Parts: sequence; C-alpha cells; structure tokens
Amino acid sequence: DSGVTQTPKHLITATGQRVTLRCSPRSGDLSVYWYQQSLDQGLQFLIQYYNGEERAKGNILERFSAQQFPDLHSELNLSSLELGDSALYFCASSVDSGESSYEQYFGPGTRLTVT
Amino acid sequence: GQNIDQPTEMTATEGAIVQINCTYQTSGFNGLFWYQQHAGEAPTFLSYNVLDGLEEKGRFSSFLSRSKGYSYLLLKELQMKDSASYLCAPRFLYSGNTPLVFGKGTRLSVIA
Repeated sequence: DSGVTQTPKHLITATGQRVTLRCSPRSGDLSVYWYQQSLDQGLQFLIQYYNGEERAKGNILERFSAQQFPDLHSELNLSSLELGDSALYFCASSVDSGESSYEQYFGPGTRLTVT
Repeated sequence: GQNIDQPTEMTATEGAIVQINCTYQTSGFNGLFWYQQHAGEAPTFLSYNVLDGLEEKGRFSSFLSRSKGYSYLLLKELQMKDSASYLCAPRFLYSGNTPLVFGKGTRLSVIA
C-alpha cells in the first residue's frame, strides 16, 4: 500500500459524458501527478500540481482539466469522453516539487471504460 | 522528444540474471528512475541514479552512464514474481517540460 488513494476503482460511462477522478496523496506529500496508461502506450504524464498550483503540464487534452485543493487532494475532470479515453488513470504523489531524488508513489489507479 | 528506448519484451529463466537496457537523449538529463509494474497494478519504485555508476539494492542493481545516455537494470536470482513490466523513467529539467518521462516498459517473463 503506497498510501495514495484513488476513487473510484472502476468507472464505466458513455461517449460524450463527463467524469471526475479523485486522488488523495500520501500524508505530507505536496505534489500530485496524473498519468494515463492505455493498452499499447506507456505511462503518459498529464499534469502535476504542487501545493495547490499547477507545476508542469504534459500531453493533457483540452477536454481534460485538474485541480488540487487546499487539503492537497486532487481531482481530474474528463469531459466529452471518447472511446479512446478508455485507459487506466494513475495518480502519484511525492514530497517535493519533482526536482530531486524523491520518488513518486502511485495510487492503485482508476480504470475508465468509455462505451 | 526524449527518445527513451528499452526492449519491449524479454524472457529469462528462474534463478538466472537478466539485464534490461534503457537509452535516452542526454539533453537536459537530471536523474533516472526505474519502476516495476505488475499487470493492472500501480508502478512501484525500484531505484534512482543521478551519478555514473552502479547502485545495488538486494537482488536489483541499476547502472547509469550520463555521457552515453544509458542505464540498465540488473535482476539477479530471478523469481517467478519478478515477471512484470520494468519502466525506465529519466527526468529532464528544462522549462515547460515534464518532470518524468516514462519509457513504454520492458515486459519480463520469468519461466521455470
């Protein structure tokens, strides 16, 4: 158990819909990262928040957005869902802003299926 | 891009040693992580290298050559539970870029 929690574990929804994925980082960790992992792709970095502020942005679609709240939990919002958005979405946390040797701890993931 | 390259699949025998290589572009490089990921599960941290040389941690070791843009993960005394994907993740520090870039991973199958 990494100490990072994600809800829900599974999500099945239809194309065009909107969903929210939730992540609670390890106690004391200030950074939250979101990743997408499809069957044929590696872990694709989406976005990072550090202490409530956006820190780095990867290949995140405009239909996707995220935020980190004052209690440091984070939400990833996916809208106008398409079949290709079906994937495992991981949240990870780390104690720092991502520029040192501290590793990222990954949550168990949310498996999103768009039908 | 960072052109992270690692073999897609490898097979090795229980009790043997296997080396998983990873190459990457050196521009902006500042450290490299290795993660293990069992199918359908979260990645878990294995090692971190920022200086040249070998870091040993039990049955797992990781090597880095900064000038060559090369790292490897060495797994000794292979066990069936080592069957997993191994992800190479270098970090590049230049403005506007991602903190970590993961390779597509090497799927290791350990056979009896």
